[in-house]
Amino acid sequence: NAGVMQNPRHLVRRRGQEARLRCSPMKGHSHVYWYRQLPEEGLKFMVYLQKENIIDESGMPKERFSAEFPKEGPSILRIQQVVRGDSAAYFCASSPRDEPYEQYFGPGTRLTVT
Amino acid sequence: SQKIEQNSEALNIQEGKTATLTCNYTNYSPAYLQWYRQDPGRGPVFLLLIRENEKEKRKERLKVTFDTTLKQSLFHITASQPADSATYLCALEGRRALTFGSGTRLQVQP
Repeated sequence: NAGVMQNPRHLVRRRGQEARLRCSPMKGHSHVYWYRQLPEEGLKFMVYLQKENIIDESGMPKERFSAEFPKEGPSILRIQQVVRGDSAAYFCASSPRDEPYEQYFGPGTRLTVT
Repeated sequence: SQKIEQNSEALNIQEGKTATLTCNYTNYSPAYLQWYRQDPGRGPVFLLLIRENEKEKRKERLKVTFDTTLKQSLFHITASQPADSATYLCALEGRRALTFGSGTRLQVQP
């Protein structure tokens, strides 16, 4: 049973470009969470999705950031017009239930904005 | 607002000793609390979940306590090994997702 998969593992973007981060949850999991981790800081919740629905996006900046989890395919976190402050590790987690029980994390995507 | 505090200073102990990590929280009444381990460059890995009506939970060399009066959880690793060196994160259930502490780095010296 494959774990949570994220790609790319490392992403370098210039200021103003778009970043697309992908997450495939564990098989059988329909709940996906995105977190951001800045250096030497804790994980910060961004958005919680189920298939074709955004359940809670209270942790996601209102501008430039968007997320989706289509019926088919991976969940996508999209950052438009990236700025240096977007440089961070972005983690995706999945769970089989609609409460935040134990979550299974992917290896993360490290975004560097130059 | 909700606040979770973990000791930001690294904890250094000798192999074989018991490591004890602390998680304190305020303005919060979680139904359960979780502990995760994170190694450098990797995603967190779930270790233990303890519910508010449970005082203590054990798993192999790990033990977690949950005191809802003190608003504190203690995480113990007995007979620690160098392979236990990592950052340990406390997480509380929030409105829809987990709220994480900033973690405590544990270094077990051989």
